[in-house]
Amino acid sequence: GAGVSQSPRYKVAKRGQDVALRCDPISGHVSLFWYQQALGQGPEFLTYFQNEAQLDKSGLPSDRFFAERPEGSVSTLKIQRTQQEDSAVYLCASSLGSYGASNQPQHFGDGTRLSIL
Amino acid sequence: QQPVQSPQAVILREGEDAVINCSSSKALYSVHWYRQKHGEAPVFLMILLKGGEQKGHEKISASFNEKKQQSSLYLTASQLSYSGTYFCGTAYGQNFVFGPGTRLSVLP
Repeated sequence: GAGVSQSPRYKVAKRGQDVALRCDPISGHVSLFWYQQALGQGPEFLTYFQNEAQLDKSGLPSDRFFAERPEGSVSTLKIQRTQQEDSAVYLCASSLGSYGASNQPQHFGDGTRLSIL
Repeated sequence: QQPVQSPQAVILREGEDAVINCSSSKALYSVHWYRQKHGEAPVFLMILLKGGEQKGHEKISASFNEKKQQSSLYLTASQLSYSGTYFCGTAYGQNFVFGPGTRLSVLP
């Protein structure tokens, strides 16, 4: 079956522009995670959804970052007024169960590489 | 707080063994292991859920010592395809935290 799909694969934006990154999880997966990965670092947690409910957004670096999953499937991560420090790979992952992150494998998309000029 | 991994990097010859360690200052209830190749998505390897649990998949296995808040990943008779960065990770509530990664290079 299809895996986690993210689009666009690459995004270049000028500083100050708004961007929207899309994640299409595996069908039927309840849990959805967003991560930010800087070069040479591990993925850093941004936010977690259980169906359409955003249960944890403690990792969002500022109020310029906003995520939604209105129908419990596709999710969008929006970054407003982008800054150079937002340049990174943004990874989305989904897992089957509704128990958060503890006991379910996470299936990752290929990520969106965001470059802010 | 992020789990700690050691070593940061390791270089092996094909057929050699390696151990990657992961530890946490906070209580661990589960440990995940993932492998990420350059430019690709992390790929799930295994989850360990119980203290003292061990799991294995072909020549890759892991142990989890809940009391010591540590997990180790064992790669036996390494293959070229094992090259990549290995991350451990754990859940703190609904938050999931990855370690900084161990870069493994297997040379022919």
